[in-house]
Amino acid sequence: GAVVSQHPSWVICKSGTSVKIECRSLDFQATTMFWYRQFPKQSLMLMATSNEGSKATYEQGVEKDKFLINHASLTLSTLTVTSAHPEDSSFYICSAPDRNTGELFFGEGSRLTVL
Amino acid sequence: KNEVEQSPQNLTAQEGEFITINCSYSVGISALHWLQQHPGGGIVSLFMLSSGKKKHGRLIATINIQEKHSSLHITASHPRDSAVYICAARGWGSQGNLIFGKGTKLSVKP
Repeated sequence: GAVVSQHPSWVICKSGTSVKIECRSLDFQATTMFWYRQFPKQSLMLMATSNEGSKATYEQGVEKDKFLINHASLTLSTLTVTSAHPEDSSFYICSAPDRNTGELFFGEGSRLTVL
Repeated sequence: KNEVEQSPQNLTAQEGEFITINCSYSVGISALHWLQQHPGGGIVSLFMLSSGKKKHGRLIATINIQEKHSSLHITASHPRDSAVYICAARGWGSQGNLIFGKGTKLSVKP
């Protein structure tokens, strides 16, 4: 079945550095990729929606200059956390919908820790 | 604004027990998702429902649109079912703009 592969699964970085998270759709084309964030003991929250070949749409309160999203191909979407700070430490996860059924396929998630 | 409430928040069961997790939402939706999140964080989509009932193996999901309520049932529970189960309601806009419940942490003891 459809799979979304996400990596890295965890990353530790120093404050001020940038971190890139990749999500690849395997066996299907993902024209849309959703990016979520989950803080400890909280619900998942949608951060942004990336669309292949066009600019991402960001949810209210999410800084587009800080969370750069690129969806350059039908199988790859990336999220770059620029100039990361400790408050950006979180669990980031992507998902892509099946164009026909609307079912969502999730990546494995990336746990970011900023020191 | 749609609110999604799940109950119970935590659930401990003995292996073999029948388990029910409930989800209520406050406004009309286009679909409701049941998701399973493992301790490492990875999420698996179990069901997407817009009406009626779906069954997959030992898992059954039902939805009552009029009452704005959905349930997830696990028959003959097993320790490997231990995870956080999340319901998420989708409105009429973007497929990914889901309102997530806080999750139900299920622990099945052998």
